[in-house]
Amino acid sequence: AQSVTQLDSHVSVSEGTPVLLRCNYSSSYSPSLFWYVQHPNKGLQLLLKYTSAATLVKGINGFEAEFKKSETSFHLTKPSAHMSDAAEYFCVVSERGYQKVTFGTGTKLQVIP
Amino acid sequence: DGGITQSPKYLFRKEGQNVTLSCEQNLNHDAMYWYRQDPGQGLRLIYYSQIVNDFQKGDIAEGYSVSREKKESFPLTVTSAQKNPTAFYLCASSIGPGTTNEKLFFGSGTQLSVL
Repeated sequence: AQSVTQLDSHVSVSEGTPVLLRCNYSSSYSPSLFWYVQHPNKGLQLLLKYTSAATLVKGINGFEAEFKKSETSFHLTKPSAHMSDAAEYFCVVSERGYQKVTFGTGTKLQVIP
Repeated sequence: DGGITQSPKYLFRKEGQNVTLSCEQNLNHDAMYWYRQDPGQGLRLIYYSQIVNDFQKGDIAEGYSVSREKKESFPLTVTSAQKNPTAFYLCASSIGPGTTNEKLFFGSGTQLSVL
């Protein structure tokens, strides 16, 4: 069975401070893992993806995520939050291409000036 | 520019009415997908198609139907059997399964509401 758990539905940080969005997954296969971002009134945009290459994955806009198999985690981080980072973030796991895709319930990131 | 186009952006449905959401892509992708987004529930897969003239049910296919007569098009019909259709619907596409470039491209979505 495949599942994704985003541990926080809302995260609030001050501008310039680090961001941590947590994601745990379970999968019967070697999964591919993704983080997507959805800004208000805009479509989903791929931030980064893990597909069994390097465990530390760098994405766009300064985000990165580390795949930890022993902890079944794929947490998203950014060293310094920017106001434009305020959005909803989805952790996604897929098996066998996109034949089976599961989205997390999302984490809303609020950035305080 | 290549991409996925969903229309309309907003759609209203009356009781007992079927409505069709359009999804067109010019990315030459084999695979296309329909997701439903509800607050607090993430995205759930309704139907997907790996190739023309073939499609499979996702996790919440009841009350929906699709067709894939052309590679570029994957319309979703919300039938009167779908009792809770109010949601944000997202169409997506990818090159296909088993490829190294497993990027999922999304359209901008259709918000469906019941009158």
